[in-house]
Amino acid sequence: KQEVTQIPAALSVPEGENLVLNCSFTDSAIYNLQWFRQDPGKGLTSLLLIQSSQREQTSGRLNASLDKSSGRSTLYIAASQPGDSATYLCAVGGDSGSRLTFGEGTQLTVNP
Amino acid sequence: DTGVSQDPRHKITKRGQNVTFRCDPISEHNRLYWYRQTLGQGPEFLTYFQNEAQLEKSRLLSDRFSAERPKGSFSTLEIQRTEQGDSAMYLCASSPDRGNTGELFFGEGSRLTVL
Repeated sequence: KQEVTQIPAALSVPEGENLVLNCSFTDSAIYNLQWFRQDPGKGLTSLLLIQSSQREQTSGRLNASLDKSSGRSTLYIAASQPGDSATYLCAVGGDSGSRLTFGEGTQLTVNP
Repeated sequence: DTGVSQDPRHKITKRGQNVTFRCDPISEHNRLYWYRQTLGQGPEFLTYFQNEAQLEKSRLLSDRFSAERPKGSFSTLEIQRTEQGDSAMYLCASSPDRGNTGELFFGEGSRLTVL
């Protein structure tokens, strides 16, 4: 059974800092890995999708990496802003049509 | 707006009542998923449809839960005889078949509170 762990559970940083969120998974036979953002009481917004054959994806100030063999992914946020404050969720897909297994998320607070 | 739409956004009900949630996926997305999220946790998979066929169900989906997608478009999730433990956010997601990367697009969710 796939298990996904996110560290840290919560993070508070001053505005402008670069930061790294970590995600680990137990079964390396994944189809893809997806990072989401969730604001309080809201749904999930897809940030980055990495296919199992890829090593990283970038979108603006966000960069996500994937190391399947070690079962790890990182989300790098450059020059953090207060508007980045949210919960960040990592999810692993087992095959092209099946369920995503989510971590419990990292709650990020960026202080002005 | 052509995103995933869920209704109602909030539902408060008394224990023992039945509730139904509706999800309208992104147009032409063949795949539709239901997830449940409790406070402070990541979403947990409930069930998955490809067109009108329900292809996978989680053990979390007890006999009191039923999901349908009768015409392969919108889907409903019904919870019968609600219990306080059913209080959660119910999230719907969709993805396309063609060129499928496995990327899921989520709606805003339906929050259920059982008193």
